[in-house]
Amino acid sequence: NAGVTQTPKFRILKIGQSMTLQCTQDMNHNYMYWYRQDPGMGLKLIYYSVGAGITDKGEVPNGYNVSRSTTEDFPLRLELAAPSQTSVYFCASSVRDRGIEQYFGPGTRLTVT
Amino acid sequence: GQQLNQSPQSMFIQEGEDVSMNCTSSSIFNTWLWYKQDPGEGPVLLIALYKAGELTSNGRLTAQFGITRKDSFLNISASIPSDVGIYFCPSPAYKYIFGTGTRLKVLA
Repeated sequence: NAGVTQTPKFRILKIGQSMTLQCTQDMNHNYMYWYRQDPGMGLKLIYYSVGAGITDKGEVPNGYNVSRSTTEDFPLRLELAAPSQTSVYFCASSVRDRGIEQYFGPGTRLTVT
Repeated sequence: GQQLNQSPQSMFIQEGEDVSMNCTSSSIFNTWLWYKQDPGEGPVLLIALYKAGELTSNGRLTAQFGITRKDSFLNISASIPSDVGIYFCPSPAYKYIFGTGTRLKVLA
């Protein structure tokens, strides 16, 4: 099993550009999450999903969109990139939502200039 | 809202020293999970605690679930350079709160 995979590993965007960060898991987990981690900071939840077709906002959803058409995939869309979105983005998945291990991907390092 | 505090925020220690860090919550937790994030990687689960008072070890790591259910501590014995990283104890609430973690640096 590959676990949680994320692409790309690195990306540089110009202000106003858009992009999609890809996340795939092969563990048949229902729950998936997107976090961002700014330099020297902890993880902040952007969006999460409890199953295909169901998504909800986390702590910092502004400027992002998500979709969940399959159990395996949970892409994160950035529209009109801004310098404040420069961060490392982590995707994670878990069997259920509360008090259970989350499996994290390796992260995507995004710079917006 | 729920508050989660980790202490200390960062620490520099000499190789071979023991390390202690803790988490406190404003709310009662039913579980405590301790994660470690290596530099440039995603967090990985170290220890899971499911019962108040529970004491669990994983190699050189020992963690305890406080009896008030509002705190937990993690001890690392005889630290080594690869212990460097960020240690998190996220809230098990529906919208996970990871907090800023404890940054550990080990000096060889």
